[in-house]
Amino acid sequence: DSGVTQTPKHLITATGQRVTLRCSPRSGDLSVYWYQQSLDQGLQFLIQYYNGEERAKGNILERFSAQQFPDLHSELNLSSLELGDSALYFCASSVDWSGRGSYNEQFFGPGTRLTVL
Amino acid sequence: AQTVTQSQPEMSVQEAETVTLSCTYDTSESDYYLFWYKQPPSRQMILVIRQEAYKQQNATENRFSVNFQKAAKSFSLKISDSQLGDAAMYFCAYRSGREYGNKLVFGAGTILRVKS
Repeated sequence: DSGVTQTPKHLITATGQRVTLRCSPRSGDLSVYWYQQSLDQGLQFLIQYYNGEERAKGNILERFSAQQFPDLHSELNLSSLELGDSALYFCASSVDWSGRGSYNEQFFGPGTRLTVL
Repeated sequence: AQTVTQSQPEMSVQEAETVTLSCTYDTSESDYYLFWYKQPPSRQMILVIRQEAYKQQNATENRFSVNFQKAAKSFSLKISDSQLGDAAMYFCAYRSGREYGNKLVFGAGTILRVKS
């Protein structure tokens, strides 16, 4: 158990719908990352937040948005869903936001499996 | 942009034998970190081993070791005394050492099958 929790574990929805994925980081971690794992795109970084502020953006679609709340949990909102959005969405957390210094290891949650029908 | 390449989509190893998974990466940076993650059927991402680019000594964690060749931009994972529980997808990942570079860049993964 990494200490990172994600809800729900599974989500089945229809095209055009909107869903929210939730992540709670490990105690003490201020940085949260979202990754998408799909068959055709592999594992891709979507976005990073640190202490409520966006720090880095990756290949995140405009239909997707995220935020980190004062209690440090994060939510990833996916709207106007398409079949191609079906994937496993991971949240990871780390103590710091920077790439410098220590390993600043990222601990991964169990993921949310999204199926768009 | 940094890229990570895993050229072996699938590998097989006999239980108790040794297997090496390959990974190459492309970067113009001198300060970075490399990782191997294991993803078993449960889909959980588990950190196996890590290496700092400025350290010449290869990292070792029990039965897992790496062969880090910085000039060749190669970072292979050796699993000794393979066990059935090692069967999983293995991802090689890169992380920049720059201030704003904390995202992980993953390779496509290698499926490791362990035969009894």
